Amino acid sequence: GENVEQHPSTLSVQEGDSAVIKCTYSDSASNYFPWYKQELGKRPQLIIDIRSNVGEKKDQRIAVTLNKTAKHFSLHITETQPEDSAVYFCAVDNTDKLIFGTGTRLQVFP
Amino acid sequence: GAGVSQTPSNKVTEKGKYVELRCDPISGHTALYWYRQSLGQGPEFLIYFQGTGAADDSGLPNDRFFAVRPEGSVSTLKIQRTERGDSAVYLCASSLLSRATDTQYFGPGTRLTVL
Repeated sequence: GENVEQHPSTLSVQEGDSAVIKCTYSDSASNYFPWYKQELGKRPQLIIDIRSNVGEKKDQRIAVTLNKTAKHFSLHITETQPEDSAVYFCAVDNTDKLIFGTGTRLQVFP
Repeated sequence: GAGVSQTPSNKVTEKGKYVELRCDPISGHTALYWYRQSLGQGPEFLIYFQGTGAADDSGLPNDRFFAVRPEGSVSTLKIQRTERGDSAVYLCASSLLSRATDTQYFGPGTRLTVL
């Protein structure tokens, strides 16, 4: 079955710096790669997603890049702010469901 | 509009008891998913409904777990003879179309604690 690995597990940055989170997957048939943000005690919320027909997608301070050949994709957050502090999960579609990574706890210090 | 809702928000039960967790998806969404999230982990797939039928229940850990969606809207996850290892946050998600590449919107979850 699909295996999704996410790194790092924790990430601390200074406000204004950039943050990068990486995920690798195993099934070359996967075509959809969403990123979810989960604040403590809250529901996961989709922040950006990418499909296999594009290599990069950007939405304001957030971008995702995809390398289908190498089977990895990354989340990039620029000009980080304290409110970006949360746990971020990558996910990959597998048949009719999403397989999630183990999460990255991002802390942005003022 | 209203998002996905789940009730109860918290459920504390004793080992061996039966529990039901409810999910109200976004109106008009045909697909409904149940996930389980243990502390420090990502959501883990349990079951997927396309309309009223369970299209994929491969994630249910054993036959103590069962879910229904009789009218293609509200879904109930049922757990019999609960065990301490069942303690987790149970998340429900829905999507407009019945494919995993469609955006899934999550509910707030039900935190189940089995004593």
